[in-house]
Amino acid sequence: KAGVTQTPRYLIKTRGQQVTLSCSPISGHRSVSWYQQTPGQGLQFLFEYFSETQRNKGNFPGRFSGRQFSNSRSEMNVSTLELGDSALYLCASSGRDRGAADTQYFGPGTRLTVL
Amino acid sequence: GNSVTQMEGPVTLSEEAFLTINCTYTATGYPSLFWYVQYPGEGLQLLLKATKADDKGSNKGFEATYRKETTSFHLEKGSVQVSDSAVYFCALSLTSGTYKYIFGTGTRLKVLA
Repeated sequence: KAGVTQTPRYLIKTRGQQVTLSCSPISGHRSVSWYQQTPGQGLQFLFEYFSETQRNKGNFPGRFSGRQFSNSRSEMNVSTLELGDSALYLCASSGRDRGAADTQYFGPGTRLTVL
Repeated sequence: GNSVTQMEGPVTLSEEAFLTINCTYTATGYPSLFWYVQYPGEGLQLLLKATKADDKGSNKGFEATYRKETTSFHLEKGSVQVSDSAVYFCALSLTSGTYKYIFGTGTRLKVLA
């Protein structure tokens, strides 16, 4: 079974631009979560999507948004980039259904650098 | 609230030494517990998991036992190798209420030859 894939792997943008990151979950997984990882703040939860609906959201400003498509692929968008948005963005998928906990499997991440 | 606390790093060991990375949790309900490993430049990989009290997860020589009485899930390995150098994350997932995965801050392990 193919793992979680994320594209692109590396991205360089300048302040004020916007960026879209893509995540393809493991086949059959319907839940996709996004995380931001930085040296200072560690691993922080952004949001989770399940069946095209956002079900959980972390404490990030509205500049961070996401969506999920009918094939479970997900995108996250960051508008008006700031220097502090430089981070590794990780996507994780799980096969969990409503009310059940399941294991999250992570992709390799997208390394975003904002100049 | 729900949280995961793991020991501060970095942890530096010589090859073949015994490893323990402490992890304790606070959670309402009955969480599942996980250890993930992150090698440089990569995403997180699931190392092992346990879903109920007294379960022991094991993989690649690593072990951790779900201790409900001490709310702990310490990671151990009898003999570390240089290739085990990485960052280790303890995490829990909640089985009731709003689904959430909560991660510890990570512990960096460096193994010297």
